[in-house]
Amino acid sequence: DTAVSQTPKYLVTQMGNDKSIKCEQNLGHDTMYWYKQDSKKFLKIMFSYNNKELIINETVPNRFSPKSPDKAHLNLHINSLELGDSAVYFCASSQGGSNSPLHFGNGTRLTVT
Amino acid sequence: GENVEQHPSTLSVQEGDSAVIKCTYSDSASNYFPWYKQELGKRPQLIIDIRSNVGEKKDQRIAVTLNKTAKHFSLHITETQPEDSAVYFCAASANSGYALNFGKGTSLLVTP
Repeated sequence: DTAVSQTPKYLVTQMGNDKSIKCEQNLGHDTMYWYKQDSKKFLKIMFSYNNKELIINETVPNRFSPKSPDKAHLNLHINSLELGDSAVYFCASSQGGSNSPLHFGNGTRLTVT
Repeated sequence: GENVEQHPSTLSVQEGDSAVIKCTYSDSASNYFPWYKQELGKRPQLIIDIRSNVGEKKDQRIAVTLNKTAKHFSLHITETQPEDSAVYFCAASANSGYALNFGKGTSLLVTP
């Protein structure tokens, strides 16, 4: 059983389109995250949610809108995609915030052409 | 936000040698320091972590040390094997309690 699953694994789309990435965790964790990993492998926090409440929005353009319908799901919608959005997006979860291990999903490789 | 510096960015060792990766952090409120290993095309996976009330932790061939006064922590891998080749990330908990701030990664290559 995959603990943190995100779909799709690959996403190729044109500039200006809108796309969504879904994430679900079955670990019973209360905190979920979106991280962006750029071409230089740098992992940068985008958002974190605790019990469906947005805790961190780390200077992300408002074209990115996360949604957490319940504490097991955290989806990411991106409007008006730009070339610079191309990256690998990782969903993660933990119990009790970031003072406990983060469990990452397998990532979504987004390519904007 | 919290700044985590990681060195070196690349490290090449021969099989059987030791590898050391060092990180420094800026926020004295950080109290949790995990290390992640990421193989090519895969997700980061936790390999070891340490909390601020502990100075050293060991798990088989890997160990982590923490110096809270100096705000630095290190990963030590002994008797390296080719399958240790990967990118390693250090991280420190943010003072918000709801994010881990990562170093920029160290690409470790272990040659047979």
